[in-house]
Amino acid sequence: DAGITQSPRHKVTETGTPVTLRCHQTENHRYMYWYRQDPGHGLRLIHYSYGVKDTDKGEVSDGYSVSRSKTEDFLLTLESATSSQTSVYFCAISESTRNTGELFFGEGSRLTVL
Amino acid sequence: AQSVAQPEDQVNVAEGNPLTVKCTYSVSGNPYLFWYVQYPNRGLQFLLKYITGDNLVKGSYGFEAEFNKSQTSFHLKKPSALVSDSALYFCAVRVYADSGYSTLTFGKGTMLLVSP
Repeated sequence: DAGITQSPRHKVTETGTPVTLRCHQTENHRYMYWYRQDPGHGLRLIHYSYGVKDTDKGEVSDGYSVSRSKTEDFLLTLESATSSQTSVYFCAISESTRNTGELFFGEGSRLTVL
Repeated sequence: AQSVAQPEDQVNVAEGNPLTVKCTYSVSGNPYLFWYVQYPNRGLQFLLKYITGDNLVKGSYGFEAEFNKSQTSFHLKKPSALVSDSALYFCAVRVYADSGYSTLTFGKGTMLLVSP
């Protein structure tokens, strides 16, 4: 299994509070991704990173920000959580998107916003 | 927009029977296609990929997938289903962002239920 650790694995919070999810990898892979999984929608890309301090928006980036100050860590922040952000969040890594591009996923972080 | 579609929310099959989970794609150029499996409360696991070459791709756990360019399909197959194959299956396609870097776009998933 790829060395990907997500924290926290479960979190319950209230509307309007800030939340940060952390993804830590031990594979030294360049590319990192945040997806959210919702019933009926599959997985949707929130943000991705192609290097330290290099990030870009995905399909559903509104309400989310990311930071990557080190190769191994990719943080996802909800500045003011809303109930629509209740979801399971997955971090993924990839060695190189210029080859075949397959991703390897963490175990997920389940976020409930009340 | 480049995308994949999984037309079935759920597929039911009896153990020992062959199974097929369907996926169609819409991309410009040559597609890079993937199948992933997700067991309950777990992350996605990579099963197999099609890049180029043979239209029949073999992957993990006895799964294979058939690439059909004329039908723009990439169906996942297994000759003999096991109860332990019951899981959520995702088809995905590599897409390029304006940044020039690629990501994966996923289908909505198909739940496979294998009955004893």
